[in-house]
Amino acid sequence: ETGVTQTPRHLVMGMTNKKSLKCEQHLGHNAMYWYKQSAKKPLELMFVYNFKEQTENNSVPSRFSPECPNSSHLFLHLHTLQPEDSALYLCASSPGGAGDNEQFFGPGTRLTVL
Amino acid sequence: AQSVAQPEDQVNVAEGNPLTVKCTYSVSGNPYLFWYVQYPNRGLQFLLKYITGDNLVKGSYGFEAEFNKSQTSFHLKKPSALVSDSALYFCAVRDDTGRRALTFGSGTRLQVQP
Repeated sequence: ETGVTQTPRHLVMGMTNKKSLKCEQHLGHNAMYWYKQSAKKPLELMFVYNFKEQTENNSVPSRFSPECPNSSHLFLHLHTLQPEDSALYLCASSPGGAGDNEQFFGPGTRLTVL
Repeated sequence: AQSVAQPEDQVNVAEGNPLTVKCTYSVSGNPYLFWYVQYPNRGLQFLLKYITGDNLVKGSYGFEAEFNKSQTSFHLKKPSALVSDSALYFCAVRDDTGRRALTFGSGTRLQVQP
């Protein structure tokens, strides 16, 4: 395993539910990311955090709300989602500093919105 | 803006034969280029990267990639394919301006036949 864990691995929720995805990295990294992977589409960057500060929000709808309480943990809070939000949500981390470092990915959370 | 093109949705190759997975990119400034592999129900795993220096980069599991600046390409290669190499392969690019976000291609499914 890569040292990045995500829970839950699978989630089914209704459009009126509120749920949260959790990501934890054990690599001592300072940057964390949320990506959305939909079938037959490129990975879509959602959010970037660097030293707990959000540095990028890729025009993500407000029904997705990230939280980064410290450099090891990243959450994605979900509310009033749509069926088209069903996808694999991937968390990644990388060292702080220079941008030439590779990202380490978690196994993802498979989200189904009914 | 930066972009990545993986022109082949799927590549089929017989075990023992050489394989090539194609990637071209567009970026302002100098590119940082990455290859990742994704096995079923898993996150992305880092294979190799090009930052600077030698145009031929060697990575994990016997894979290598050749950076060609004039053709803006970064094709992934392996001299002798294994059935276990069958997976989804992603090329990604970042520019050297300090922005952390990677831009991914749409992925190429590699199928190695016994």
